[in-house]
Amino acid sequence: DIQMTQSPSSLSASIGDRVTITCQASLDISQYLNWYQQKPGKAPKLLISGASNLERGVSSRFTGSGSGTHFTLTITSLQPEDLATYYCQQFDNLRALTFGGGTKVEI
Amino acid sequence: QVQLQESGPGLVRPSETLSLTCTVSGGSGGNYYWSWIRQSPGKGLEWIGYVYFTGNTNYNPSLKSRVTISQDTSKNQFSLQLHSVTAADTAVYYCARDLTVAGKGGALDVWGQGKLVIVSA
Repeated sequence: DIQMTQSPSSLSASIGDRVTITCQASLDISQYLNWYQQKPGKAPKLLISGASNLERGVSSRFTGSGSGTHFTLTITSLQPEDLATYYCQQFDNLRALTFGGGTKVEI
Repeated sequence: QVQLQESGPGLVRPSETLSLTCTVSGGSGGNYYWSWIRQSPGKGLEWIGYVYFTGNTNYNPSLKSRVTISQDTSKNQFSLQLHSVTAADTAVYYCARDLTVAGKGGALDVWGQGKLVIVSA
């Protein structure tokens, strides 16, 4: 099974800060990496698919990059509404999905 | 706009079977993969498995021996059964649409609101 390791597990930042979350895969997953935002009490929301493709309607403050085993999600200018937990998720050649452990972003 | 809604009992006794249904509205089921995901209280997300519109299924290896996912295309529904549950299966269970057939491998773009299921005697 492919393991996904996210870091940090939590972070505290100020409004306007640039925030970077990393996700490491235990095997090469090419660009089969998606990012989600989950606010308290809500279902996750897809932000980025294919490592770097911003979903329609998602703020351009969010950018994704990476391929192979190392990926990053960057929030370029943190806003109060970005308070949430962020998850990476991989899709492997056996069509199994695995989520990272999550990164809680506090303002 | 497609919407998903989970339904089923919120309380299940240990050793029994957890059964949930996800109803797809706002459009036909379509040629997608349909997944179940769960989240234990205060924990992260765990993919349970999916059913494809053809009826093919795939499950998380850690749950495979206890899981059955099926679909009823006539009702635009797909279902989850988790057998022999224990307290460790207490979680919010989500259904979601998978966009792999649209070229977005494993991306879950539409989610239900989630159903809390507590396993307790």
